[in-house]
Amino acid sequence: TQLLEQSPQFLSIQEGENLTVYCNSSSVFSSLQWYRQEPGEGPVLLVTVVTGGEVKKLKRLTFQFGDARKDSSLHITAAQPGDTGLYLCAGAPGNQFYFGTGTSLTVIP
Amino acid sequence: DAGVIQSPRHEVTEMGQEVTLRCKPISGHDYLFWYRQTMMRGLELLIYFNNNVPIDDSGMPEDRFSAKMPNASFSTLKIQPSEPRDSAVYFCASILMGMGYSGYTFGSGTRLTVV
Repeated sequence: TQLLEQSPQFLSIQEGENLTVYCNSSSVFSSLQWYRQEPGEGPVLLVTVVTGGEVKKLKRLTFQFGDARKDSSLHITAAQPGDTGLYLCAGAPGNQFYFGTGTSLTVIP
Repeated sequence: DAGVIQSPRHEVTEMGQEVTLRCKPISGHDYLFWYRQTMMRGLELLIYFNNNVPIDDSGMPEDRFSAKMPNASFSTLKIQPSEPRDSAVYFCASILMGMGYSGYTFGSGTRLTVV
C-alpha cells in the first residue's frame, strides 16, 4: 500500500498547455516536497511546503499544500519540453520522507 | 560540493555474483538513505543511517541485502548472491536533517542489471 498516491500516472501534452498533478494521502504530513527526476539522474528537489493551505510559486510552477496537510497539487502553466520528467511528491509524517508513485510528464514540442 | 557520488553508474552481473554499490554523501549531512527504483514499485526506501548508525532497515528485501556506513563519508550496499529480480536503479541520498526543509540530495544512481 502506497502512503502517497499521485495522479495521473502518465501525462502527455502539447507545448503551451497547462496541467495539474495531484498527490493524495490519508495521512497528515508535517511537510511535503516535490521533486523532478530526469532520465538517468536522481530526483531533484523543487519545493517544500509546510503550512496547510500554503501556495508557492516557482516561475511557471505553482505548488499548493492542502488545508488538512494530507494532499498537494502541482500546476504547470504553459508547459515546455524542458518540463518533461518524472514528478514525485514526498511527505514526512515523521523523520523520513515517503515518496509517491510518481507522474511521468511528456511535453511534446 | 560535488554532491552525492555513487559508483559504479552501471553494473551488469551474473546471477549468484556479489554486487557492491558505493556512496559518498555530502560532507556534513547527518542522514544517508538507500533507495531502489523500478517501474513497478517506484522509489522504495531500503535502509537509512543517522550519524553512521543504521536506524531502519525494514525495507531491505531479504538477508541477501546488507548495508554499512563505516564512516561519515562512505556507505556500501551489498547484494550477495544477486538475482535477476534485483535489477533496478539504486539511489543513495543524504540530508542534513537539522536544516529542516532542505530536502534530500540524491546521487545519480547505479543501474544494476542481473542476468
